[in-house]
Amino acid sequence: DAKTTQPNSMESNEEEPVHLPCNHSTISGTDYIHWYRQLPSQGPEYVIHGLTSNVNNRMASLAIAEDRKSSTLILHRATLRDAAVYYCILQINSGGSNYKLTFGKGTLLTVNP
Amino acid sequence: GAVVSQHPSRVICKSGTSVKIECRSLDFQATTMFWYRQFPKQSLMLMATSNEGSKATYEQGVEKDKFLINHASLTLSTLTVTSAHPEDSSFYICSAPRRVYNEQFFGPGTRLTVL
Repeated sequence: DAKTTQPNSMESNEEEPVHLPCNHSTISGTDYIHWYRQLPSQGPEYVIHGLTSNVNNRMASLAIAEDRKSSTLILHRATLRDAAVYYCILQINSGGSNYKLTFGKGTLLTVNP
Repeated sequence: GAVVSQHPSRVICKSGTSVKIECRSLDFQATTMFWYRQFPKQSLMLMATSNEGSKATYEQGVEKDKFLINHASLTLSTLTVTSAHPEDSSFYICSAPRRVYNEQFFGPGTRLTVL
């Protein structure tokens, strides 16, 4: 499986932007980049996904490098409720099991008041 | 938005008993669901893919006779932990993809404690 590399942890202050990096140098042309987050004792929550172009939604923005070997999840104004583990995952586009997600260790985001 | 529910949210059982966990997609159909296990301070580990109308596909190292999966309908998958032991204590999470939007929706998880 294509792997991703993320920092173990990051800190941010409330109401400031947060840029969460992810490296995926072995990504192939049809792999989607997904971001999920998990609050303590809850199931993961979808954040955003993209293929080649930058993406925006109400939760976040996803900036994808031109060579697709890295991406950055951007939270425009962090709140205390954004404190969570953020997972960057490559969705391997490979036929019947192409919705299978393999989680790495993720980045623990701490938001300071 | 789409919701996936799990029942029960928490269960405590004695060693040697079996425990059934239900996963339901509430407002969409899911021909495929996934089951994960998560130990404290660790990431989610995919256990198996549940397929409606056919056998589940298990990840390497997961005992299919211990973790029985049944996908009886387009909205329900069940995971039965048979002859549970304390080392099976974990947080079990299911998910269902909503294909049109290429998103996965996760259940809230089931905390299993085996005494």
